[in-house]
Amino acid sequence: ETGVTQTPRHLVMGMTNKKSLKCEQHLGHNAMYWYKQSAKKPLELMFVYSLEERVENNSVPSRFSPECPNSSHLFLHLHTLQPEDSALYLCASSQDPPRRGDEKLFFGSGTQLSVL
Amino acid sequence: SQQGEEDPQALSIQEGENATMNCSYKTSINNLQWYRQNSGRGLVHLILIRSNEREKHSGRLRVTLDTSKKSSSLLITASRAADTASYFCATDTGRRALTFGSGTRLQVQP
Repeated sequence: ETGVTQTPRHLVMGMTNKKSLKCEQHLGHNAMYWYKQSAKKPLELMFVYSLEERVENNSVPSRFSPECPNSSHLFLHLHTLQPEDSALYLCASSQDPPRRGDEKLFFGSGTQLSVL
Repeated sequence: SQQGEEDPQALSIQEGENATMNCSYKTSINNLQWYRQNSGRGLVHLILIRSNEREKHSGRLRVTLDTSKKSSSLLITASRAADTASYFCATDTGRRALTFGSGTRLQVQP
């Protein structure tokens, strides 16, 4: 276990559905991230939250809506998705600014999303 | 164009052989990290090398960094079937988050 838990592990949704992905970290970190991983493509950074404030948004379509109610929880709300949004969505956490010797990210196991 | 690009995209070797993966990047970095991902799972941190370091070891892992060529390599010695996974390099450029490459898929045949 990495200390970062994502639910659900798998999700199948239609293009008109609304669903949410959840991430929880038990590491005492103050920064959380959403990455998207599509087949044969680099991990794409979607959102970064530091101290519960969104500090980076990489031009993600508005059909993806993040929420960070506190430093331990992160959500990704999904609505009217497209089939090309099917991917593995990974949550990660870290300390911001990083402590020397601890600059790494801790990832959850991901949510495998299929949009039909 | 992406910051980190791994080479080769896929690698298949026999157990006991060494596996070498390369990573090239474009901008100056604070550090470079290597991660491993088992199929359909999250990434796990393996090793970090700072911009002022040239080589680092951790168990069967050896990482080198050449900042003049903007490249790094990950060597896994005496590979095992359990090393089968995808391996990613990630660069820390001082921005808020790491930038990852597309990864190298390593298959170790028993």
